[in-house]
Parts: sequence; structure tokens; C-alpha cells
Amino acid sequence: SYELTQPPSVSVSPGQTAGITCSGDALPKHYAFWYQQKPGQAPVLVINKDSERASGIPERFSGSSSGTTVTLTISGVQAEDEADYYCQSGDSSGTWVFGGGTKLTVL
Amino acid sequence: EVQLVESGGGLVQPGGSLRLSCAASGFTFNNYWMSWVRQAPGKGLEWVANIKQDGSEKYYVDSVKGRFTISRDNAKNSLFLQMNNLRAEDTAVYYCGRGTKDYWGQGTLVTVSS
Repeated sequence: SYELTQPPSVSVSPGQTAGITCSGDALPKHYAFWYQQKPGQAPVLVINKDSERASGIPERFSGSSSGTTVTLTISGVQAEDEADYYCQSGDSSGTWVFGGGTKLTVL
Repeated sequence: EVQLVESGGGLVQPGGSLRLSCAASGFTFNNYWMSWVRQAPGKGLEWVANIKQDGSEKYYVDSVKGRFTISRDNAKNSLFLQMNNLRAEDTAVYYCGRGTKDYWGQGTLVTVSS
């Protein structure tokens, strides 16, 4: 198996842009997915297959990929976006792996 | 409306067993891979297992291989996770999810402690 590396925390002021990165050697070969999780709640898919916004997710959420790094970008951050964010990908053996998670703090 | 409802969690002693269930509704269950993901208290998400639509392929995280078994009953729209030889480090909220990752249950708590 392999690892996905995320920064433990990111802080941003309301209305600013937040970028959360996720790095892994297999990312050029396998899609990445992003989840948002708020305390006491189940994870919610926000980005599908590197850059597709999941159903019902606001347009301020976007995803991109470059080489071994994928990035979740939240434009015009709102207080309600404060949450933990996880990237996830798979490998050719049918297994999944999650990044360690990034706590987004809205100042 | 898609719904996934987990059950079967609880307190179990180290070395014990539990069987988690996930009741699915609102979609054609046998069209989807299904997954189990867990989250230890205060920790991040960890993938546990995947199962193909017909049950012919199953994949596990290394730490549960040989102890956990994922299965499904398509006639009853149900997903299962048989957990044997449980360890303290298996303590977590267990979530079932659709393989397309777009729907997850609310989770069931498994606590392994003496």
C-alpha cells in the first residue's frame, strides 16, 4: 500500500481562498476524491475523480491535479466550511487509502 | 432517497467477535461495490474493506486481513462485516458506504475493551 500526505491544518479568513494539498506517488495513475467531515457527522463527498464537484456541493469547491499532488480549493471560504477534509485514492489492487486529514479553521 | 443504516456495534472484549450490518435502501443495491470505513476516536478515516457487486472480489486493509470478512446479501439489500479476534486498536466508528463514495451511513461504534 502507499500513503497520501496532507497538511494537518490550514487556516483562512472568511472570504479568502483555501487550498488543501494531498501528495502521493500513485496519484498520477489513480483518481483522487475529497471528503468533508464535521464533528459527529459522517463524511461527505465533495470532489469526485480529481475535479468533479459532487452532487449538491457549492461551486466554491473545486479540485485539481498536477503530477503527484492533488489540491482541494475552496474559494470565498465561509464559516460553515470549517471541517476536516480528507483525500482518498486507490491502487490497482482494489484497495483504498485515505490521507491523514486536514483541519480547516476559518478565522 | 438513498439510505444506509449500520447496526451491530457495541462493547466487546479483546479477542471477541462482532458482526456489523448495513441496511441499504433507495437504490439498486446489487449494482454497486460497497465499502466499510472506520474512524478511531479523535483520529482520521481509515478504509477497511470493499466488496464487488456479486461478492466475487473482496479487498481488505492489511491490519484486518485474516480477522475481518466483508460479505453481502443482495436479496436483502444488506452489507456485513464479520469481525473476529478483535483488538483494542479496532475501536472505532464503522461506516458503510456505496462504492461510488457518494453515500455513507451514520456509523456504528465498536469498542474493544476489557
